Amino acid sequence: DQQVKQNSPSLSVQEGRISILNCDYTNSMFDYFLWYKKYPAEGPTFLISISSIKDKNEDGRFTVFLNKSAKHLSLHIVPSQPGDSAVYFCAASDPSYDKVIFGPGTSLSVIP
Amino acid sequence: GAGVSQSPSNKVTEKGKDVELRCDPISGHTALYWYRQSLGQGLEFLIYFQGNSAPDKSGLPSDRFSAERTGGSVSTLTIQRTQQEDSAVYLCASSLNRGLDTGELFFGEGSRLTVL
Repeated sequence: DQQVKQNSPSLSVQEGRISILNCDYTNSMFDYFLWYKKYPAEGPTFLISISSIKDKNEDGRFTVFLNKSAKHLSLHIVPSQPGDSAVYFCAASDPSYDKVIFGPGTSLSVIP
Repeated sequence: GAGVSQSPSNKVTEKGKDVELRCDPISGHTALYWYRQSLGQGLEFLIYFQGNSAPDKSGLPSDRFSAERTGGSVSTLTIQRTQQEDSAVYLCASSLNRGLDTGELFFGEGSRLTVL
């Protein structure tokens, strides 16, 4: 039973345009959400996070939006760059359990 | 370096053999996680260590899997009697405390296990 879902396994975007990666979750107890980026043959690296008490967090070209009522969050990358091509994992944490749960990932390709 | 170090980076073994995967977390990080990523799949939680507390083993897929963390630092993930379905990249991550105040887990580059 997947608690963190990323329903799009892949996404292609033209360079300079906006990339929107979506994530849905089922556990209303999650209090912290994170996005990680992974290049081939490397470990995931932290990108941006958001607390459940907020609805938006912005860091440069990256913005994460949280809609708690819909149990949905999204990562916006604008403008998209070829170097953004990677697999993006959505992750969430339940304070009741000491573990971070990851979604299956979305592979983003930014086309020059 | 100062990052999370994992070894070996690649391991090919025969079905039925035991393997050990090692993780050196960032110095001072009290939390340590093991995840695995099978081909085309997401990151599957395996086990979590926090300080001297009993580890959370809820993600271990079978009793062939075990892990220990000696002295609150280095961790070893052991897979006994490996099966082909154990083939995956095994990722270790560490963080300060639970890592959630900063929202950041620091991952190693992973150990790719191939079971023939």
